[in-house]
Amino acid sequence: NAGVTQTPKFQVLKTGQSMTLQCAQDMNHNSMYWYRQDPGMGLRLIYYSASEGTTDKGEVPNGYNVSRLNKREFSLRLESAAPSQTSVYFCASSTQTSGETQYFGPGTRLLVL
Amino acid sequence: AQSVTQLDSQVPVFEEAPVELRCNYSSSVSVYLFWYVQYPNQGLQLLLKYLSGSTLVESINGFEAEFNKSQTSFHLRKPSVHISDTAEYFCAVSEPTGRRALTFGSGTRLQVQP
Repeated sequence: NAGVTQTPKFQVLKTGQSMTLQCAQDMNHNSMYWYRQDPGMGLRLIYYSASEGTTDKGEVPNGYNVSRLNKREFSLRLESAAPSQTSVYFCASSTQTSGETQYFGPGTRLLVL
Repeated sequence: AQSVTQLDSQVPVFEEAPVELRCNYSSSVSVYLFWYVQYPNQGLQLLLKYLSGSTLVESINGFEAEFNKSQTSFHLRKPSVHISDTAEYFCAVSEPTGRRALTFGSGTRLQVQP
């Protein structure tokens, strides 16, 4: 039981390049989330998916797109990376029950030059 | 809209001393409250949470937090810290309905010194 996995662990991009961050969970959770973590700002929600086939914007969605490929996988795409997107990205999942614990992946560290 | 304020960005403390990490929140509706811990180069793990019932909640490793509705606070305490408690601690809230995503505070780095 791997929980929440993320790939890659680390990535360096040049401004304008694109990339997709992958996330998968094996806990049969309905809800999945993408957060970014920046120093002194905690974690901020980028996008979330309440169930397969649905996605919705969070607090900081600009510059990102997401795809809920199936119940297990939720990817985050940067179409044209900018230095402001340098951050650590975390994927999380939970059941849809109110108050349920969110389980986090190990994170992807992204540097945009 | 809801927000979370963690008043201390860093808390240095000596081993075996008590510690309190402060958290205040604001929300127009009732919320669920969480403390997550992040060890170096890892993802976040749930430490404890308050949903309803007893206002004092405890974790398995000796931390406790008390929900105070009148002061809109959810401070985290431990009577005696260990070196292994060195980590960053995040307070978070979520609404009981809707998307249930977490709103995080900015984090408090607990540095336990020998």
